[in-house]
Amino acid sequence: AQTVTQSQPEMSVQEAETVTLSCTYDTSESNYYLFWYKQPPSRQMILVIRQEAYKQQNATENRFSVNFQKAAKSFSLKISDSQLGDTAMYFCAFMKQGGSEKLVFGKGTKLTVNP
Amino acid sequence: NAGVTQTPKFRILKIGQSMTLQCTQDMNHNYMYWYRQDPGMGLKLIYYSVGAGITDKGEVPNGYNVSRSTTEDFPLRLELAAPSQTSVYFCASRDTGPGGYTFGSGTRLTVV
Repeated sequence: AQTVTQSQPEMSVQEAETVTLSCTYDTSESNYYLFWYKQPPSRQMILVIRQEAYKQQNATENRFSVNFQKAAKSFSLKISDSQLGDTAMYFCAFMKQGGSEKLVFGKGTKLTVNP
Repeated sequence: NAGVTQTPKFRILKIGQSMTLQCTQDMNHNYMYWYRQDPGMGLKLIYYSVGAGITDKGEVPNGYNVSRSTTEDFPLRLELAAPSQTSVYFCASRDTGPGGYTFGSGTRLTVV
């Protein structure tokens, strides 16, 4: 079974600065996807960024980028130029490719952006 | 395009009562899922479906039932509600391929 570990329950950052959220995972699969989801106080789950395991290039979406280290099974999220609206819970998630394609989530990191 | 619609948004149940959480998607997705989110925890899979007429258990299925008679609808049934079922419930759907899930806005359920 796959597991996802987020070792930072809470983090804070000053507005306009950069912050990195950590995620490690355990799997014996070769083909899979990794995701970061944002959950603001509204409770909505919002996809931030995704990474296909077969791609060596790290995914980037505007101010959000990942550092994907497949051999180390590490998938960190970097948020640049942090904004107050980035305050939220962030969940790392794993999905094996094929079959039922179930998402396995970490416990989350609560990020607070301070003015 | 409404995406994934969950109803109700909030509900309080008494111990032993039953209820159905509704979930509908209009994207013609084959895959649908029910997750629960307990305080301070990530989401855990309750049940899932890979198409109409096909359902299977996830990580925490006890106390729940599902059905999938159409592609659009995937209701979650709670029988004999217990305080341990107090949680936020999310329905989600996805198409095949590398895209992520589309989540509903969640149902906050309290069992007292």
